[in-house]
Amino acid sequence: AQRVTQPEKLLSVFKGAPVELKCNYSYSGSPELFWYVQYSRQRLQLLLRHISRESIKGFTADLNKGETSFHLKKPFAQEEDSAMYYCALSGIAAGNKLTFGGGTRVLVKP
Amino acid sequence: DAGVTQSPTHLIKTRGQHVTLRCSPISGHKSVSWYQQVLGQGPQFIFQYYEKEERGRGNFPDRFSARQFPNYSSELNVNALLLGDSALYLCASSLTTSRPYNEQFFGPGTRLTVL
Repeated sequence: AQRVTQPEKLLSVFKGAPVELKCNYSYSGSPELFWYVQYSRQRLQLLLRHISRESIKGFTADLNKGETSFHLKKPFAQEEDSAMYYCALSGIAAGNKLTFGGGTRVLVKP
Repeated sequence: DAGVTQSPTHLIKTRGQHVTLRCSPISGHKSVSWYQQVLGQGPQFIFQYYEKEERGRGNFPDRFSARQFPNYSSELNVNALLLGDSALYLCASSLTTSRPYNEQFFGPGTRLTVL
């Protein structure tokens, strides 16, 4: 079975401070990991995926297979980063279905 | 392209009724997936279709069914509605189901309320 855990329901940080959203997963095989973001009154959208190895909007995430983690980080949070963030996993054996974590709400205070 | 579209936006039904939700994928996308998002939780996978064939089914009762049409649009049907079916239903489309063309693009969702 595949599972994604996001231990923090809410992260509150000040503008300019670093932010790290934790994501741990369980999957027996070669997973693909994603971070999705949902801004207020907008649809769910892909922020980044581990196979791309890109930095999007200043966010990075590294897949750590030893620790089965895919934490999302940004060194200097901006107010526009306030949103709901979901970590998700897709496995070859499970087709293309996404298994989501429960989500972390990020609030960046001025 | 307007992206993935879903209809209706909101829906109110009573227990025992039937509901049909519709989804139009991004042009050129051949795969559609359905997710249920209960308030305060992450989306949960219901179905995936690719080229009109079911490719995956989540842990949902047989009251839930879906299909994909030749134009790749899709319908999600739920029979004998229960209060617990109240949720946001999300549709997502992707080019294929294989990496790296499997990025899923989500629609705005249909908010279903069962009274």
